[in-house]
Amino acid sequence: QTVVTQKPSFSVSPGGTLTLTCGLSSGSVSTTNYPSWYQQTPGQAPRTLIYTTNTRSSGVPDRFSGSILGNEAALTITGAQADDESDYYCLLYVGYGNWVFGGGTKLTVL
Amino acid sequence: EVQLVESGGGLVQPGGSLRLSCAASGFTFSSYWMNWIRQAPGKGLEWVAKIKGDGSEKYYVDSVRGRFTISRDNAKNSLYLQMNSLRAEDAAVYYCVKWREACFDYWGQGTLVTVSA
Repeated sequence: QTVVTQKPSFSVSPGGTLTLTCGLSSGSVSTTNYPSWYQQTPGQAPRTLIYTTNTRSSGVPDRFSGSILGNEAALTITGAQADDESDYYCLLYVGYGNWVFGGGTKLTVL
Repeated sequence: EVQLVESGGGLVQPGGSLRLSCAASGFTFSSYWMNWIRQAPGKGLEWVAKIKGDGSEKYYVDSVRGRFTISRDNAKNSLYLQMNSLRAEDAAVYYCVKWREACFDYWGQGTLVTVSA
């Protein structure tokens, strides 16, 4: 069974730039895994940030960007703000019609 | 504006049943795959089930297959999840989620299901 991997936690200082990553337990991530990213603040429903690797969802500020870095999908946040403090989930297509979420990364801004 | 509003959650005993509903508006409901995604307390997101726009195809995560049934009524712009033989591990917030090409693009606010004696 394919596992989508994310670091459990990440910290950044206000105003800093950070990159969250999303990998596969077996193999490399590419655009054909159609990575998407979701932000969830405590007590709220997830919000779609990025889809098909690097397309921003409507209303998402351009501080958020998606890419492939090496063998992983990446979400970069520039100029981190306090309200970026959230859980971030990636979603990957792993073949045979299956889409799998990563376990999420808890971002702390301090 | 797309809106997805879930209802039907609550407290149920192990082995019991519950039916979740989702009222959709702001888009052509019958044209889109719809999903149920759940999140257990303090845990990550887990896709549960999906249904094609015309209801002709349905898929489930292994852990609920045979116990849960996803359905839709396009005339009422509504999505449903019938949950039977509920277990403690089914306790979660259940989200109704619209699918577009390669992503879940709109999420409801969720409805909480608690399974406890």
